[in-house]
Amino acid sequence: GQSLEQPSEVTAVEGAIVQINCTYQTSGFYGLSWYQQHDGGAPTFLSYNALDGLEETGRFSSFLSRSDSYGYLLLQELQMKDSASYFCAVRDRDNYGQNFVFGPGTRLSVLP
Amino acid sequence: KAGVTQTPRYLIKTRGQQVTLSCSPISGHRSVSWYQQTPGQGLQFLFEYFSETQRNKGNFPGRFSGRQFSNSRSEMNVSTLELGDSALYLCASSLSGGESTGELFFGEGSRLTVL
Repeated sequence: GQSLEQPSEVTAVEGAIVQINCTYQTSGFYGLSWYQQHDGGAPTFLSYNALDGLEETGRFSSFLSRSDSYGYLLLQELQMKDSASYFCAVRDRDNYGQNFVFGPGTRLSVLP
Repeated sequence: KAGVTQTPRYLIKTRGQQVTLSCSPISGHRSVSWYQQTPGQGLQFLFEYFSETQRNKGNFPGRFSGRQFSNSRSEMNVSTLELGDSALYLCASSLSGGESTGELFFGEGSRLTVL
């Protein structure tokens, strides 16, 4: 089957660095995406890794190791506005075709 | 450039009724996918449409159906509503399903409450 695992909650203080891990088990794999969702809002795309290594986009970085079926999202210089839920998602293939499988989400709380 | 628009934003139905939700994708996007989001299950994939054809579907009962029109707008329908169908239904659009970019553009969602 398809499954992704993430920590359910993470708490950090403003200005700190936090890492949100994601492990996945899927029948196929095309890449790992990360999304941010504020309460009551739509998920918004943060980053995508199709190949092993680190991708950096401003304060956010994402890492992928396909051999370990593992990735993480790194948030630096945390701000209060970063308090949100973060989802990893794998582009997978099943008997019907390709689709995105989402992890359960990690709720990040940034404290002053 | 307008984003993904979903209507209605909120609705309340009773068990046994049916509901139709609408999604207008970003202009030029041909792929529309639907997700059900609940606190306990996260985002669960319902189905994806591309150029009016269902390209993939998730593990949901036949009560959940959808379609896509020639202008890429999509609708999903849930018949014989059950209490467990209460959820946020999210629509996401992309140029071709996000295969190369891993990026989906989500709407604000339609929050369905079944009483």
